[in-house]
Amino acid sequence: SAVISQKPSRDICQRGTSLTIQCQVDSQVTMMFWYRQQPGQSLTLIATANQGSEATYESGFVIDKFPISRPNLTFSTLTVSNMSPEDSSIYLCSVGAGAYGYTFGSGTRLTVV
Amino acid sequence: QKEVEQNSGPLSVPEGAIASLNCTYSDRGSQSFFWYRQYSGKSPELIMSIYSNGDKEDGRFTAQLNKASQYVSLLIRDSQPSDSATYLCAVTLNSGNTPLVFGKGTRLSVIA
Repeated sequence: SAVISQKPSRDICQRGTSLTIQCQVDSQVTMMFWYRQQPGQSLTLIATANQGSEATYESGFVIDKFPISRPNLTFSTLTVSNMSPEDSSIYLCSVGAGAYGYTFGSGTRLTVV
Repeated sequence: QKEVEQNSGPLSVPEGAIASLNCTYSDRGSQSFFWYRQYSGKSPELIMSIYSNGDKEDGRFTAQLNKASQYVSLLIRDSQPSDSATYLCAVTLNSGNTPLVFGKGTRLSVIA
Protein backbone atom coordinates (compact mmCIF):
# COMPACT_ATOMS: atom_id res chain seq x y z
CA SER A 1 0.00 0.00 0.00
CA ALA A 2 1.01 3.63 -0.46
CA VAL A 3 3.17 5.34 2.15
CA ILE A 4 2.54 9.00 2.91
CA SER A 5 5.04 11.38 4.46
CA GLN A 6 3.28 14.31 6.08
CA LYS A 7 4.97 17.42 7.42
CA PRO A 8 5.05 19.12 9.86
CA SER A 9 3.94 16.69 12.53
CA ARG A 10 2.92 19.52 14.83
CA ASP A 11 3.08 23.26 15.08
CA ILE A 12 2.03 26.06 17.38
CA CYS A 13 1.01 29.14 15.42
CA GLN A 14 -0.08 32.66 16.20
CA ARG A 15 -3.58 33.67 15.25
CA GLY A 16 -3.81 35.47 11.95
CA THR A 17 -0.91 33.58 10.40
CA SER A 18 -0.94 30.71 7.89
CA LEU A 19 0.48 27.19 7.94
CA THR A 20 1.16 24.97 4.95
CA ILE A 21 1.00 21.21 5.41
CA GLN A 22 2.72 18.92 2.92
CA CYS A 23 1.99 15.34 1.93
CA GLN A 24 4.33 13.29 -0.22
CA VAL A 25 3.19 9.87 -1.48
CA ASP A 26 5.61 7.14 -2.55
CA SER A 27 3.51 6.28 -5.60
CA GLN A 28 1.35 8.09 -8.12
CA VAL A 29 -2.25 8.51 -7.04
CA THR A 30 -5.14 10.20 -8.78
CA MET A 31 -7.00 11.50 -5.77
CA MET A 32 -5.78 12.86 -2.48
CA PHE A 33 -8.09 13.71 0.36
CA TRP A 34 -7.67 16.18 3.19
CA TYR A 35 -9.41 15.72 6.54
CA ARG A 36 -9.70 17.62 9.77
CA GLN A 37 -10.09 15.96 13.13
CA GLN A 38 -11.12 18.32 15.88
CA PRO A 39 -10.39 17.34 19.48
CA GLY A 40 -12.43 14.32 20.51
CA GLN A 41 -14.17 14.17 17.14
CA SER A 42 -14.09 11.97 14.07
CA LEU A 43 -12.59 12.84 10.70
CA THR A 44 -14.33 15.44 8.56
CA LEU A 45 -13.49 15.76 4.88
CA ILE A 46 -12.17 19.18 3.90
CA ALA A 47 -11.58 18.65 0.19
CA THR A 48 -10.63 16.25 -2.57
CA ALA A 49 -7.56 17.13 -4.62
CA ASN A 50 -7.28 15.82 -8.16
CA GLN A 51 -4.08 16.59 -10.03
CA GLY A 52 -4.57 19.16 -12.76
CA SER A 53 -7.85 20.57 -11.53
CA GLU A 54 -9.22 22.70 -8.73
CA ALA A 55 -9.83 20.93 -5.46
CA THR A 56 -13.43 20.11 -4.57
CA TYR A 57 -14.41 21.47 -1.17
CA GLU A 58 -17.03 20.12 1.21
CA SER A 59 -19.77 22.26 2.66
CA GLY A 60 -18.37 24.53 5.33
CA PHE A 61 -14.87 24.68 3.86
CA VAL A 62 -13.77 27.35 1.38
CA ILE A 63 -10.76 27.78 -0.84
CA ASP A 64 -9.79 31.14 0.63
CA LYS A 65 -9.41 29.56 4.06
CA PHE A 66 -7.98 26.19 2.99
CA PRO A 67 -6.18 26.58 -0.34
CA ILE A 68 -4.89 23.31 -1.74
CA SER A 69 -2.23 22.66 -4.34
CA ARG A 70 -1.75 19.43 -6.27
CA PRO A 71 1.15 20.01 -8.65
CA ASN A 72 1.73 16.35 -9.50
CA LEU A 73 0.49 12.83 -8.79
CA THR A 74 2.62 12.33 -5.66
CA PHE A 75 2.38 15.62 -3.78
CA SER A 76 -0.19 17.97 -2.27
CA THR A 77 -0.29 20.85 0.17
CA LEU A 78 -3.05 22.24 2.36
CA THR A 79 -2.73 25.75 3.75
CA VAL A 80 -4.69 26.86 6.77
CA SER A 81 -5.01 30.63 6.33
CA ASN A 82 -5.65 33.47 8.74
CA MET A 83 -5.77 31.03 11.62
CA SER A 84 -7.91 31.35 14.72
CA PRO A 85 -7.99 29.14 17.82
CA GLU A 86 -10.97 27.31 16.28
CA ASP A 87 -8.60 25.93 13.65
CA SER A 88 -6.72 23.97 16.30
CA SER A 89 -7.12 20.39 15.07
CA ILE A 90 -5.29 17.48 13.56
CA TYR A 91 -5.09 17.67 9.79
CA LEU A 92 -4.65 14.47 7.82
CA CYS A 93 -4.09 13.64 4.18
CA SER A 94 -5.20 10.33 2.70
CA VAL A 95 -5.02 8.38 -0.52
CA GLY A 96 -6.94 5.41 -1.80
CA ALA A 97 -4.92 2.24 -2.14
CA GLY A 98 -7.28 -0.16 -3.89
CA ALA A 99 -7.65 -3.42 -2.03
CA TYR A 100 -5.51 -2.05 0.79
CA GLY A 101 -8.11 0.52 1.65
CA TYR A 102 -7.11 4.08 2.30
CA THR A 103 -3.88 5.08 3.96
CA PHE A 104 -3.29 8.19 5.99
CA GLY A 105 -0.42 10.49 6.67
CA SER A 106 0.77 10.67 10.25
CA GLY A 107 -1.16 13.88 10.78
CA THR A 108 -0.33 17.48 11.64
CA ARG A 109 -1.35 18.60 15.09
CA LEU A 110 -2.02 22.33 14.88
CA THR A 111 -2.43 24.57 17.90
CA VAL A 112 -3.38 28.20 17.32
CA VAL A 113 -2.69 30.61 20.17
CA GLN B 1 -26.36 14.09 3.15
CA LYS B 2 -24.28 10.95 3.47
CA GLU B 3 -24.23 9.77 7.05
CA VAL B 4 -22.51 7.02 8.95
CA GLU B 5 -23.82 6.30 12.42
CA GLN B 6 -22.01 4.57 15.24
CA ASN B 7 -22.64 4.20 18.93
CA SER B 8 -20.03 6.46 20.49
CA GLY B 9 -19.64 4.27 23.56
CA PRO B 10 -17.59 3.85 25.58
CA LEU B 11 -17.94 0.13 25.15
CA SER B 12 -16.29 -1.78 27.95
CA VAL B 13 -15.58 -5.49 27.71
CA PRO B 14 -13.48 -7.80 29.88
CA GLU B 15 -10.27 -9.22 28.53
CA GLY B 16 -10.92 -12.35 26.47
CA ALA B 17 -14.51 -11.41 25.64
CA ILE B 18 -16.00 -10.59 22.24
CA ALA B 19 -16.41 -6.91 21.41
CA SER B 20 -19.18 -6.07 18.96
CA LEU B 21 -19.13 -2.75 17.13
CA ASN B 22 -21.93 -1.60 14.88
CA CYS B 23 -22.39 0.93 12.11
CA THR B 24 -25.20 2.00 9.79
CA TYR B 25 -24.93 4.14 6.70
CA SER B 26 -27.41 6.20 4.74
CA ASP B 27 -26.12 6.10 1.14
CA ARG B 28 -27.39 2.95 -0.59
CA GLY B 29 -24.83 3.51 -3.34
CA SER B 30 -21.96 2.81 -0.98
CA GLN B 31 -19.78 -0.01 -2.23
CA SER B 32 -16.76 -0.18 0.05
CA PHE B 33 -16.68 -0.41 3.82
CA PHE B 34 -13.81 -0.10 6.23
CA TRP B 35 -13.02 -0.35 9.91
CA TYR B 36 -10.16 1.75 11.23
CA ARG B 37 -8.60 1.70 14.66
CA GLN B 38 -7.28 4.95 16.07
CA TYR B 39 -5.16 5.22 19.17
CA SER B 40 -5.08 8.58 20.91
CA GLY B 41 -2.76 10.97 19.10
CA LYS B 42 -2.24 8.62 16.17
CA SER B 43 -3.64 8.50 12.65
CA PRO B 44 -6.25 5.87 11.72
CA GLU B 45 -5.00 2.36 10.99
CA LEU B 46 -6.93 0.01 8.68
CA ILE B 47 -8.28 -3.08 10.45
CA MET B 48 -10.70 -4.56 7.94
CA SER B 49 -12.21 -3.84 4.57
CA ILE B 50 -15.34 -5.50 3.21
CA TYR B 51 -17.03 -5.12 -0.14
CA SER B 52 -19.71 -7.82 -0.42
CA ASN B 53 -22.49 -9.10 1.80
CA GLY B 54 -21.55 -11.64 4.41
CA ASP B 55 -18.69 -12.17 6.79
CA LYS B 56 -14.98 -11.60 6.34
CA GLU B 57 -12.56 -12.92 8.90
CA ASP B 58 -8.96 -11.89 9.55
CA GLY B 59 -7.41 -13.30 12.68
CA ARG B 60 -9.39 -12.13 15.70
CA PHE B 61 -11.44 -9.72 13.61
CA THR B 62 -14.62 -10.43 11.68
CA ALA B 63 -16.40 -7.82 9.59
CA GLN B 64 -20.02 -8.34 8.62
CA LEU B 65 -21.88 -6.50 5.88
CA ASN B 66 -25.58 -6.41 5.11
CA LYS B 67 -26.25 -4.00 2.26
CA ALA B 68 -30.02 -4.51 2.38
CA SER B 69 -30.05 -3.32 5.97
CA GLN B 70 -27.24 -0.80 5.35
CA TYR B 71 -25.40 -2.26 8.28
CA VAL B 72 -21.75 -3.07 8.96
CA SER B 73 -20.31 -4.61 12.07
CA LEU B 74 -16.95 -5.57 13.50
CA LEU B 75 -16.43 -8.40 15.97
CA ILE B 76 -13.22 -8.63 17.95
CA ARG B 77 -12.71 -12.02 19.53
CA ASP B 78 -10.48 -12.65 22.56
CA SER B 79 -10.29 -8.92 23.22
CA GLN B 80 -6.99 -7.68 24.61
CA PRO B 81 -6.18 -4.48 26.53
CA SER B 82 -4.15 -3.43 23.49
CA ASP B 83 -7.41 -3.35 21.52
CA SER B 84 -8.53 -0.38 23.61
CA ALA B 85 -8.91 2.41 21.07
CA THR B 86 -11.49 4.27 19.04
CA TYR B 87 -12.91 2.28 16.13
CA LEU B 88 -14.03 4.24 13.11
CA CYS B 89 -16.47 2.93 10.54
CA ALA B 90 -15.95 4.43 7.08
CA VAL B 91 -17.80 3.99 3.80
CA THR B 92 -17.30 5.19 0.26
CA LEU B 93 -18.92 4.90 -3.14
CA ASN B 94 -15.92 3.83 -5.18
CA SER B 95 -12.84 2.60 -3.37
CA GLY B 96 -9.81 4.75 -4.11
CA ASN B 97 -11.49 7.48 -6.12
CA THR B 98 -14.07 8.81 -3.72
CA PRO B 99 -13.49 10.01 -0.17
CA LEU B 100 -14.31 8.06 2.94
CA VAL B 101 -17.23 9.19 5.06
CA PHE B 102 -16.55 8.43 8.70
CA GLY B 103 -18.79 7.68 11.61
CA LYS B 104 -18.10 9.42 14.92
CA GLY B 105 -16.28 6.36 16.20
CA THR B 106 -16.84 3.94 19.08
CA ARG B 107 -14.45 4.05 21.99
CA LEU B 108 -13.60 0.53 23.16
CA SER B 109 -12.09 -0.20 26.53
CA VAL B 110 -10.87 -3.73 27.26
CA ILE B 111 -10.57 -4.29 30.97
CA ALA B 112 -7.81 -6.62 32.18
